[in-house]
Amino acid sequence: QQQVKQSPQSLIVQKGGIPIINCAYENTAFDYFPWYQQFPGKGPALLIAIRPDVSEKKEGRFTISFNKSAKQFSLHIMDSQPGDSATYFCAASRIRGSYIPTFGRGTSLIVHP
Amino acid sequence: NAGVTQTPKFQVLKTGQSMTLQCAQDMNHNSMYWYRQDPGMGLRLIYYSASEGTTDKGEVPNGYNVSRLNKREFSLRLESAAPSQTSVYFCASSGPPPLRVDPTDTQYFGPGTRLTVL
Repeated sequence: QQQVKQSPQSLIVQKGGIPIINCAYENTAFDYFPWYQQFPGKGPALLIAIRPDVSEKKEGRFTISFNKSAKQFSLHIMDSQPGDSATYFCAASRIRGSYIPTFGRGTSLIVHP
Repeated sequence: NAGVTQTPKFQVLKTGQSMTLQCAQDMNHNSMYWYRQDPGMGLRLIYYSASEGTTDKGEVPNGYNVSRLNKREFSLRLESAAPSQTSVYFCASSGPPPLRVDPTDTQYFGPGTRLTVL
């Protein structure tokens, strides 16, 4: 059973475009939603994260939108650059207890120059 | 401060061979994890260790064993490798991120081990 569903599986945009990656979760006990960025040949690295007490969080060109009632959250990359080409993973976890995030299956993003 | 280190970076095994993947972290984190990454499947948790001396199964533990040697080191062992274990393996640790206002634990991943089982 896939607890965090991520879409699309792949995404191609032109430089300056705004790619959007969507995730949906099932477990209402999740209360922390990080996004990870992974470049080829590297391990994932935390990009940005949100808690459900806010509907939006921005860090530079990256924005998370969160819809608690729909149990959905999304990553927007403003003014995308070729250097943003990577695989992006959403995740969901509980803050209390052992930190064990459940990951989405990933989105491969390519930004053309 | 090297973060999370993994050895080896690449490994080719024959079916039935055994090997141990090594992982170490220098961030004084309590929790450590082993994941496998396969195309289209995301990151799947094999085992994790919430603290020194404890280990628990994750989503896909069959065919693997782990040892939390001390607070720094967490190894993954394949006793009898199978082609289905061909994958990229990532070790991670988690703890409070430095220089961030939000104190929620963050996972830090190693560079990965690419394993091929023939």
